[in-house]
Amino acid sequence: GAVVSQHPSWVICKSGTSVKIECRSLDFQATTMFWYRQFPKQSLMLMATSNEGSKATYEQGVEKDKFLINHASLTLSTLTVTSAHPEDSSFYICSARDWAGQSSYEQYFGPGTRLTVT
Amino acid sequence: GDSVTQMEGPVTLSEEAFLTINCTYTATGYPSLFWYVQYPGEGLQLLLKATKADDKGSNKGFEATYRKETTSFHLEKGSVQVSDSAVYFCALSDRGYSTLTFGKGTMLLVSP
Repeated sequence: GAVVSQHPSWVICKSGTSVKIECRSLDFQATTMFWYRQFPKQSLMLMATSNEGSKATYEQGVEKDKFLINHASLTLSTLTVTSAHPEDSSFYICSARDWAGQSSYEQYFGPGTRLTVT
Repeated sequence: GDSVTQMEGPVTLSEEAFLTINCTYTATGYPSLFWYVQYPGEGLQLLLKATKADDKGSNKGFEATYRKETTSFHLEKGSVQVSDSAVYFCALSDRGYSTLTFGKGTMLLVSP
């Protein structure tokens, strides 16, 4: 149980275009989802926290107009990178928290999306 | 703020060797502590966790004990396998905020 999927697993886009990444909880309802960014050989950096039906909370230094997050349902959150530039190339990982589970603090992670901006 | 410090890698071991990956933390409250594992090309998987001082988390032969006095949560395994090759992340979750703070990760390479 507690499976989180991401789509696409990798994407290449041209500079200036936008790309959308989906994160789905497949077998549980996720009231809260998290978006992380991971640079090569670095740790995961939390970008934002999204709660179903409300606006996302962005971490300091993350541009909310550039990284649009929508959490419209209990099983789906999307991250849209707008006007992408090469420096946005990274590995984006989402996670979801299952409030119905035994541990309210456990997050389940998706497999990640590799974004390359050319 | 909260922070997690892990030993730098890569850690290179032969199969059946003993593994220790050090992790220390700084937190204002009483956090829960986690070890996550990331296999190549995959997302993070929870390996084990401990929610209070002196708790021992264990899974798949890996163990870690929550040491409040030394603010540590070192990961150990008595006999590693080639299939254990991955990146291991130590993390903490502050009960008040329930977000995760990660260390930088330690790559483990196990050779036959």
